[in-house]
Amino acid sequence: DVKVTQSSRYLVKRTGEKVFLECVQDMDHENMFWYRQDPGLGLRLIYFSYDVKMKEKGDIPEGYSVSREKKERFSLILESASTNQTSMYLCASSQRRALYNSPLHFGNGTRLTVT
Amino acid sequence: DAKTTQPPSMDCAEGRAANLPCNHSTISGNEYVYWYRQIHSQGPQYIIHGLKNNETNEMASLIITEDRKSSTLILPHATLRDTAVYYCIVRVSNDYKLSFGAGTTVTVRA
Repeated sequence: DVKVTQSSRYLVKRTGEKVFLECVQDMDHENMFWYRQDPGLGLRLIYFSYDVKMKEKGDIPEGYSVSREKKERFSLILESASTNQTSMYLCASSQRRALYNSPLHFGNGTRLTVT
Repeated sequence: DAKTTQPPSMDCAEGRAANLPCNHSTISGNEYVYWYRQIHSQGPQYIIHGLKNNETNEMASLIITEDRKSSTLILPHATLRDTAVYYCIVRVSNDYKLSFGAGTTVTVRA
């Protein structure tokens, strides 16, 4: 089974702090994703990476950056956390080949609260 | 993107089959239908996907109509642990994105 592991289940940070969310997958997948999920807004894509050191902006990249130094690891960085970044953050991975025929597999999420 | 329409909620008796409908009347010929579910406080879980033919795996069956304008996810013997929000998603070809709608909240009752 594909396993996508997010380092923290719950996180509380203060406004202005730099926050790192880590994600690791064990299936040698090329693609990795960061989404956030908010009530009434569904899942929104923040960033996507299709290879090591490669990244693409999703629908809501403002206030976030990402890092992919190793194939299995994809980090989401909040440079200066703000209260409107309080959310559930979900990491996912998929195989690159035939993108639209390759399911995304999600981790269990990190619930981040910024106070 | 092809949009999907699902009922907001449905109930199902434990042990019975749960049939979850989805309309996607604007689907294009090379777009896949995906189903995910999300149990409270967990990440979305992949269930099944298909293009034209019916598909079955250990979790569920996917029935796609011949004109591909609608589909049905079947959970053959629902259990209390199947209580979740179920999402029907049409995947745009060559697009990495998955766009989740509101889904159907399925409650399995004993």
